[in-house]
Amino acid sequence: GENVEQHPSTLSVQEGDSAVIKCTYSDSASNYFPWYKQELGKRPQLIIDIRSNVGEKKDQRIAVTLNKTAKHFSLHITETQPEDSAVYFCAASRSNDYKLSFGAGTTVTVRA
Amino acid sequence: DAGVIQSPRHEVTEMGQEVTLRCKPISGHDYLFWYRQTMMRGLELLIYFNNNVPIDDSGMPEDRFSAKMPNASFSTLKIQPSEPRDSAVYFCASSFSQGQPQHFGDGTRLSIL
Repeated sequence: GENVEQHPSTLSVQEGDSAVIKCTYSDSASNYFPWYKQELGKRPQLIIDIRSNVGEKKDQRIAVTLNKTAKHFSLHITETQPEDSAVYFCAASRSNDYKLSFGAGTTVTVRA
Repeated sequence: DAGVIQSPRHEVTEMGQEVTLRCKPISGHDYLFWYRQTMMRGLELLIYFNNNVPIDDSGMPEDRFSAKMPNASFSTLKIQPSEPRDSAVYFCASSFSQGQPQHFGDGTRLSIL
């Protein structure tokens, strides 16, 4: 099955700086890559997703890039704010098998 | 839209007891997923349904776990008998169709003593 690895496991950034989280996947048939944000004690919430026919997608301060050849995708958060502090999960799935395989998560702390 | 609704939010019970977790997906969503989240194992998919039919239950830990979806607006995850190692947060999620985002409920925090 699909194996998704996520790095780093923890990330501390100064407010206003950028944060980058990287994920790699093993199944070349995977074509859907969502990112979830989970605040302490809350549910995972989708923040952005990308499909394999697109190399980059942006939504305000958040962007995701996908390199299908290398089988990795990344989340970029610019101008970080304290409310960006949370655990972020990447995931991958195939179109014919809609099972999301999640990375282990990255705990992001934004220092004021 | 009310989102995915799970109940109870918290459950504390003794080992050996039967536990039933409930989920109401978003209206019109054809896919329903049950996940378990622990510090050690992260987010694990247990089972998912399409149009009330179980499609893949390969993530169900063992026979003590069972899930049903009697209609489009209700699903249960049952553990019988429960064990301390079943303690976790259990999330239900739903999506409109294949390839569409999954929306999570608030989860059930389960503690087995």
